[in-house]
Amino acid sequence: EAGVAQSPRYKIIEKRQSVAFWCNPISGHATLYWYQQILGQGPKLLIQFQNNGVVDDSQLPKDRFSAERLKGVDSTLKIQPAKLEDSAVYLCASSLVARATDTQYFGPGTRLTVL
Amino acid sequence: KQEVTQIPAALSVPEGENLVLNCSFTDSAIYNLQWFRQDPGKGLTSLLLIQSSQREQTSGRLNASLDKSSGRSTLYIAASQPGDSATYLCAVQGYGQNFVFGPGTRLSVLP
Repeated sequence: EAGVAQSPRYKIIEKRQSVAFWCNPISGHATLYWYQQILGQGPKLLIQFQNNGVVDDSQLPKDRFSAERLKGVDSTLKIQPAKLEDSAVYLCASSLVARATDTQYFGPGTRLTVL
Repeated sequence: KQEVTQIPAALSVPEGENLVLNCSFTDSAIYNLQWFRQDPGKGLTSLLLIQSSQREQTSGRLNASLDKSSGRSTLYIAASQPGDSATYLCAVQGYGQNFVFGPGTRLSVLP
């Protein structure tokens, strides 16, 4: 079974530029998550999708971050404009549904460096 | 607001040692607690999930315990191996809420 795919793996941009990340979840997984992991910290949930609807985006900085999940499959996360403090690893995860006991499968992440 | 801490932040041990990683959380009203492993440049892999009604879970050389009343969980690794070197994260989930992760313990097992 193919895992969660993310691209690009690494991205370096200057502050105030825009950047987009892509995630392809495991086939058949209805729930998709985007996390931000700053160096030395645990992942922080940014947004959770159930199919193509948003379930939780309470920690998403909506003035600069946006995310969509078209057709309930792939998802993109965009930052516009980027700030220095956005430097982090952005992890995508998926699960079959959104039950608390469902395992979340994580992708390898995209490491973003903002200069 | 739930807060999760992990002690120690980093640990280095010789191969073969038994070791304990600690996780503490501030709100004891949790639904479950999960331990993850993170290798450099890779995503997280789930190791053990303990539901609130359980006291412990075991998988191979790993044993995780949960004491909700004191807000603590421990991950015990028996007979550590160099392949166990990674960052170990605990995550706590409240009812109807998403995971809150700790900062992790970075483990190095020396051959």
